[in-house]
Amino acid sequence: EIVMTQSPATLSVSPGERATVSCRASQSVGSKLAWYQHKPGQAPRLLIYGASTRATGIPARFSGSGSETDFTLTISSLQSEDFVIYYCQQYNEWWTFGQGTRVEIK
Amino acid sequence: QLQLQESGPGLVKPSETLSLTCTVSGGSIRGSTDYWAWIRQPPGKGLEWIATIYYTGNTFYNPALQGRVTISVDTSKSLFSLNLSSVTAADTALYYCVRHKVFYYFDYWGQGALVTVSS
Repeated sequence: EIVMTQSPATLSVSPGERATVSCRASQSVGSKLAWYQHKPGQAPRLLIYGASTRATGIPARFSGSGSETDFTLTISSLQSEDFVIYYCQQYNEWWTFGQGTRVEIK
Repeated sequence: QLQLQESGPGLVKPSETLSLTCTVSGGSIRGSTDYWAWIRQPPGKGLEWIATIYYTGNTFYNPALQGRVTISVDTSKSLFSLNLSSVTAADTALYYCVRHKVFYYFDYWGQGALVTVSS
């Protein structure tokens, strides 16, 4: 099983600042990596697939990068609604998720 | 707009079978690039893929749960279902039904159904 490890577990950022979430795969997944945003009480929302392609309707402040084993989700200027949990997910071999990163207000 | 809605009992006794149904609306369950899946999230934990099905009936199961899980589809009713047998407290979770796009990522999610395993 490919294990996805996200860091940090919690990220404290001020509104308007940049947030960077990292995701590392235990083995190469190429570019088969997706990112999700999860607000408590709501369904997770697909943000990024193919490591860097924004899903339909996702604001440009969300961007993804990386390949093979190391990936990054960047939120360029945090809005109030962005202070939630983010997950990465690989789909190169079956489907596994990272443990999540909570972005909180500093 | 595609919508998915989970339904089923919120409380299941240990050793019994958990059964959930997902009704798909606003789109076809027979899309050529669309698969359908169940994902769960235990309280305070991360997301775990459970199973995936194609409208033709082809199924794929998480090896960690294989043997206890069955996923099925009813295209005439535009729904798919999950059965998880011999449940324990560890199966207590929020269960999501999702569209498994191109067999890759999950782009449409239901709101989730909380299932508690308790006597």
